[in-house]
Amino acid sequence: AQSVTQLDSHVSVSEGTPVLLRCNYSSSYSPSLFWYVQHPNKGLQLLLKYTSAATLVKGINGFEAEFKKSETSFHLTKPSAHMSDAAEYFCVVSDLDFGNEKLTFGTGTRLTIIP
Amino acid sequence: GAVVSQHPSWVICKSGTSVKIECRSLDFQATTMFWYRQFPKQSLMLMATSNEGSKATYEQGVEKDKFLINHASLTLSTLTVTSAHPEDSSFYICSARSADTQYFGPGTRLTVL
Repeated sequence: AQSVTQLDSHVSVSEGTPVLLRCNYSSSYSPSLFWYVQHPNKGLQLLLKYTSAATLVKGINGFEAEFKKSETSFHLTKPSAHMSDAAEYFCVVSDLDFGNEKLTFGTGTRLTIIP
Repeated sequence: GAVVSQHPSWVICKSGTSVKIECRSLDFQATTMFWYRQFPKQSLMLMATSNEGSKATYEQGVEKDKFLINHASLTLSTLTVTSAHPEDSSFYICSARSADTQYFGPGTRLTVL
């Protein structure tokens, strides 16, 4: 069975400072990993994905994530936070469950940007 | 590309009535769509997997007779909440798969009075 642990339920950073959102996963096979962002009362937008190619993945809006198999981590980073980055972020693992694709979501990290 | 829409974006209904939510992939075809439910300040929970032209696969604990799913075409899946009750009030989000990625709709907020 697969699982995702987002280590921080809430992260606050000042505008212009780096962002780090932590994610650890467990999976029986070689997983695909995703980060999605959700703004209030909106659906989820794909930030980036890892699908067994390059371990450093660059996404939209300046975000990137590094897949570290030895640490079973897929942390999301951004060098400089912007006010518009304030949202809920979900780390997601995709795996096969009896041949069917299934996404497992982390519990989310709420990112607050301090002006 | 890979845009998914949902209609309506919000709906209020009386207890005992049925509500239909549509999920459309606008610029791609999706043989598989997914329906999720999200409670306030919580993560998404998969309700069912919808496959075009066949019966949906429901997750454990999800009543298939209450949450009817129809995936009649490669761009449209519908979720009908039958005999809705206040506990069905929630944010319902669909996704459609393109290649190896799921693209999500904007969600439908259902309030049952």
